[in-house]
Amino acid sequence: EAGVTQFPSHSVIEKGQTVTLRCDPISGHDNLYWYRRVMGKEIKFLLHFVKESKQDESGMPNNRFLAERTGGTYSTLKVQPAELEDSGVYFCASSPGTVYGYTFGSGTRLTVV
Amino acid sequence: AQTVTQSQPEMSVQEAETVTLSCTYDTSESDYYLFWYKQPPSRQMILVIRQEAYKQQNATENRFSVNFQKAAKSFSLKISDSQLGDAAMYFCALTQGGSEKLVFGKGTKLTVNP
Repeated sequence: EAGVTQFPSHSVIEKGQTVTLRCDPISGHDNLYWYRRVMGKEIKFLLHFVKESKQDESGMPNNRFLAERTGGTYSTLKVQPAELEDSGVYFCASSPGTVYGYTFGSGTRLTVV
Repeated sequence: AQTVTQSQPEMSVQEAETVTLSCTYDTSESDYYLFWYKQPPSRQMILVIRQEAYKQQNATENRFSVNFQKAAKSFSLKISDSQLGDAAMYFCALTQGGSEKLVFGKGTKLTVNP
């Protein structure tokens, strides 16, 4: 079974530019999550999709972040315009349900300069 | 609010020996799940072990076991017969029943010395 795939693995952009991160969950997993780890801090929840619907987006930091999940399959997370404090590792995870635990992707390391 | 605290930013262990990583948490819920995740360098996070709060028996997965002390809100991870491949960041995480989001600790970086 293919795992959770994220790309790019690394992205370096200038402040003010736009970046789009992509996540392909495990096939059949209705639940898809985005998390972010800023250097030296905890991994923080950003949002949760159930199929194509946003179940919980309480962790989205501001309206510069836009997440979509087309047709309940892959998801994108767009940051526009990027700021320095957006730097960090963005993780995507999918799950058939909480009790099973999540399967995480390898993350996208975003550096805003 | 739920919180997870990992008080050991770094730990080291000799190969073949045993190490325990600590984790404490706080939640007002009675129905919750606890997890330990492992993230090797430049690789994805992997679920190591899971514990349901309603289960008194400590979870075990091969060389990995937990000491779940519900009253003390403690959830430590014991790694027996440590191997070089165990070197990684270890994250303790909590989610409450009915919620889908994980609350993570800051992580513990484990080094395994040959």
